[in-house]
Amino acid sequence: DVKVTQSSRYLVKRTGEKVFLECVQDMDHENMFWYRQDPGLGLRLIYFSYDVKMKEKGDIPEGYSVSREKKERFSLILESASTNQTSMYLCASSSQGRVNQPQHFGDGTRLSIL
Amino acid sequence: KQEVTQIPAALSVPEGENLVLNCSFTDSAIYNLQWFRQDPGKGLTSLLLIQSSQREQTSGRLNASLDKSSGRSTLYIAASQPGDSATYLCAVPGYSSASKIIFGSGTRLSIRP
Repeated sequence: DVKVTQSSRYLVKRTGEKVFLECVQDMDHENMFWYRQDPGLGLRLIYFSYDVKMKEKGDIPEGYSVSREKKERFSLILESASTNQTSMYLCASSSQGRVNQPQHFGDGTRLSIL
Repeated sequence: KQEVTQIPAALSVPEGENLVLNCSFTDSAIYNLQWFRQDPGKGLTSLLLIQSSQREQTSGRLNASLDKSSGRSTLYIAASQPGDSATYLCAVPGYSSASKIIFGSGTRLSIRP
């Protein structure tokens, strides 16, 4: 069965800390995505990657970076966490294709920045 | 720019009723449309994906339709159950590249026992 695993369900960090959110998929998918979800704003794409070491900015990349050293793992990095980055973070993956393939999501990480 | 709208934002119906959730999108040149379910505090679960060449897709008590020309999709849930209570989101491709998608803000569905 399809599985996208996010390393933490809940995380509490302090302002200014460097924060790593990890995501692993076991489906050999080429594409991986990071979203954040906020009440009233819906899901917004932060970054995505369509291959190892490749990345593209989404709609709200400011304050974030990503790393994709292995196909199965996609990391989201908050370089210097701020309170406005308190949110639910969702990772997803999909197989490569000229047209969209179904995206499969992890259970999310609820991140609080104090 | 593609925009996806879901109305109403919330819906409450008694158990056993059939119901329809609506999704509209502004750019009809889409490859496909996907419906997701999200339980509180959880990630998204893909329910149905309709390719642009299809008019509908069925899975159990769920039936999704697609009318590209009018920019609309509906998710029909038959014989609703309390376990169907969740937020339902639709999503369409928002860019020319193959993989990025745009989500609606969702309809929060509550089924009353």
